[in-house]
Amino acid sequence: DVKVTQSSRYLVKRTGEKVFLECVQDMDHENMFWYRQDPGLGLRLIYFSYDVKMKEKGDIPEGYSVSREKKERFSLILESASTNQTSMYLCASSRGFEAGGYNEQFFGPGTRLTVL
Amino acid sequence: SQQGEEDPQALSIQEGENATMNCSYKTSINNLQWYRQNSGRGLVHLILIRSNEREKHSGRLRVTLDTSKKSSSLLITASRAADTASYFCATAGPISGYALNFGKGTSLLVTP
Repeated sequence: DVKVTQSSRYLVKRTGEKVFLECVQDMDHENMFWYRQDPGLGLRLIYFSYDVKMKEKGDIPEGYSVSREKKERFSLILESASTNQTSMYLCASSRGFEAGGYNEQFFGPGTRLTVL
Repeated sequence: SQQGEEDPQALSIQEGENATMNCSYKTSINNLQWYRQNSGRGLVHLILIRSNEREKHSGRLRVTLDTSKKSSSLLITASRAADTASYFCATAGPISGYALNFGKGTSLLVTP
């Protein structure tokens, strides 16, 4: 069974802390994504990566950075957490377009982050 | 940037009834996908329809795509209480590349 796992389901951090959210996929997918989901706003893309060490900004990258040192792992970093980053964070992966995939994405269970 | 927009925002039906959700988008696409999200969970891919297809079926799901109107609909037949969830459309296009643009979702409640 294919799987995308996220390091925590729930996380509580304080303002100013550095926060790491980890995502691991076991499908050998080229592409990985980080979204945040907020009520009334739907899913918004933060960053994505189409290869190891490659990254692209999404719609709302401010205040976030990412790291992809290995194909199966994509980390989202909040350099200095703020209360407006309280949200549900969803990681996803998909096959690369060259593999004939049509961008179907597989999602992790999400991390609900609260910043106090 | 968000492209898909679902309608209605919320839908409440009884078990056994059909549920129809609509999605409109703005720019050209390669494909359109529908996802389901149970409360507080990740999204699950339901069905993908390519831009050169007009209709697709998967079990109790039927998806249509009208590229001239830039719209799609998802029909769930004979709804069950377990279908209660939020449903999102997502588009993939020449501009988005590998990324998907998600709508804000339709919240479906199916009561016994």
